[in-house]
Amino acid sequence: DTGVSQNPRHKITKRGQNVTFRCDPISEHNRLYWYRQTLGQGPEFLTYFQNEAQLEKSRLLSDRFSAERPKGSFSTLEIQRTEQGDSAMYLCASSLLAVSETQYFGPGTRLLVL
Amino acid sequence: KQEVTQIPAALSVPEGENLVLNCSFTDSAIYNLQWFRQDPGKGLTSLLLIQSSQREQTSGRLNASLDKSSGRSTLYIAASQPGDSATYLCAVGNTDKLIFGTGTRLQVFP
Repeated sequence: DTGVSQNPRHKITKRGQNVTFRCDPISEHNRLYWYRQTLGQGPEFLTYFQNEAQLEKSRLLSDRFSAERPKGSFSTLEIQRTEQGDSAMYLCASSLLAVSETQYFGPGTRLLVL
Repeated sequence: KQEVTQIPAALSVPEGENLVLNCSFTDSAIYNLQWFRQDPGKGLTSLLLIQSSQREQTSGRLNASLDKSSGRSTLYIAASQPGDSATYLCAVGNTDKLIFGTGTRLQVFP
């Protein structure tokens, strides 16, 4: 399999619970991005990694959100104390080194917070 | 702050028509522009990437053009088919991330 994979594909949780999503990028890709998409909107940038280093975080990424990419391979995005406003599709993408390269997206994880 | 706008927001056409989807952006200092397709409830599929130094890219029935100075890109779809029905998103590469428009929802009916 040469594509970007994300797990789980769907997550339903109650407000206040913690959730964690996983992204496995294309194997030779150094860059890994997280985006969030709400209904009817385009994806919005959250954060990105180059290898294991987290190089930029959006203001959208409140202190309840944390992302890691240990050893520069897969990445996890954790949301603590979920709120109903966190309900969205969380998309992961990967690319080769530079921003000039095509970003390839995974299927997304759809989160519903009740 | 970079803003990306897509017009029209929705489009419904009969099969066989040639289509033009429009994308505009406010800051011409971009690295590239990428067009994506998104099916309902799914992730994004990359269609075309145009580097800032290029004027257009073609793939099959798709042709995308870029005019950096005027802050515009168009996606041309030739001989549309029902299987082309999806949301089409444009995104500009700005520093180290993509900034997306809100998309054009396309429906092609037989």
